[in-house]
Amino acid sequence: DADVTQTPRNRITKTGKRIMLECSQTKGHDRMYWYRQDPGLGLRLIYYSFDVKDINKGEISDGYSVSRQAQAKFSLSLESAIPNQTALYFCATRKSIGGAGELFFGEGSRLTVL
Amino acid sequence: GENVEQHPSTLSVQEGDSAVIKCTYSDSASNYFPWYKQELGKRPQLIIDIRSNVGEKKDQRIAVTLNKTAKHFSLHITETQPEDSAVYFCAASIVGNEKLTFGTGTRLTIIP
Repeated sequence: DADVTQTPRNRITKTGKRIMLECSQTKGHDRMYWYRQDPGLGLRLIYYSFDVKDINKGEISDGYSVSRQAQAKFSLSLESAIPNQTALYFCATRKSIGGAGELFFGEGSRLTVL
Repeated sequence: GENVEQHPSTLSVQEGDSAVIKCTYSDSASNYFPWYKQELGKRPQLIIDIRSNVGEKKDQRIAVTLNKTAKHFSLHITETQPEDSAVYFCAASIVGNEKLTFGTGTRLTIIP
């Protein structure tokens, strides 16, 4: 089955460390997204990409960077992690059909920053 | 930007009864409204969506209604079952705009 895969699934790190979360997909979708989920805050968009080398900011991009080096891969980096970046991170993909349509989420990466 | 408010934050209903979750949005240009279900420890999954050119859409026990004038939309689940227990998120966006704004979620518990 075509899927969206995230690594690592769980990570504990310390303040100031650099962290990379990786996402790969076999759905063949061109659009990829990174969301952050916090209790009581829902899902908030960090960055999104339409295609290789295309990067767009979401609503909470400060403190994060992304890279889309291949259509199937979209990575999220925290250059210097801080405790309030402790959250559940989801990668998602969507087929290009005019800005609507189903988002397919990965299983999530739980990040804890001590 | 768009702001989506979702109520209630928690909801408990007896198995077999109906559940209703309501969302309001702020941007009158929004025209795409999906609902996602997230079971405990799982990823969110789309359960139904509606565009603004229709007022209601049904899929078996699930329905969504949209009132564009009042800028609110609702999820209705009838004949609830234990497997309906989950967190439900509403969202809104403008077709052609990639920024889907989510509500804060409703934790639905079905009491057997």
